[in-house]
Amino acid sequence: AQSVTQLGSHVSVSEGALVLLRCNYSSSVPPYLFWYVQYPNQGLQLLLKYTSAATLVKGINGFEAEFKKSETSFHLTKPSAHMSDAAEYFCAVNINTNAGKSTFGDGTTLTVKP
Amino acid sequence: NAGVMQNPRHLVRRRGQEARLRCSPMKGHSHVYWYRQLPEEGLKFMVYLQKENIIDESGMPKERFSAEFPKEGPSILRIQQVVRGDSAAYFCASSPDPVYGYTFGSGTRLTVV
Repeated sequence: AQSVTQLGSHVSVSEGALVLLRCNYSSSVPPYLFWYVQYPNQGLQLLLKYTSAATLVKGINGFEAEFKKSETSFHLTKPSAHMSDAAEYFCAVNINTNAGKSTFGDGTTLTVKP
Repeated sequence: NAGVMQNPRHLVRRRGQEARLRCSPMKGHSHVYWYRQLPEEGLKFMVYLQKENIIDESGMPKERFSAEFPKEGPSILRIQQVVRGDSAAYFCASSPDPVYGYTFGSGTRLTVV
């Protein structure tokens, strides 16, 4: 079985401040983990992925995430928020590549204040 | 590469009608997935298909919903006798291999009136 929990459905930060979006996963085998971003009325776009190589993963738009097995976490961070980062962010897990189905968290809406 | 193409973008159906949602995956992607997103909720898995085969349909309601991915042409998600509760955004995604993550289409927003 696989699942993800995103802590905090809404996060608000000031422009230039650190962004931290939390994701914890549950899986019985080593997982593949993903972060996606969704802008209003659009589909999801892949930000970054962890596939058992480096535990610190760098993605697009200055985002990165660190896989911590001991904490079963894959939190998303960005050192300095930009107004254009305002969107909804989804964490996803996939543990069975033969089945190929990813399970998504409920999402976190990021608001960036000027 | 045109990306994942979904049509129509918006679809309005009266209760009891049929809805057909189309998805053309990215070139070279043989894995297709359908997800449903309700307002203020996350994405719920519906079905996973490869060419001419349904791999996993554990998220599909047992009645009124069906999906196909024929040898030629787009993947189709079909909803028969729609009800108000079917109103949602339906997203299609494709991948060359699930380990790489998905490329999503822009979605079809179904409204049942």
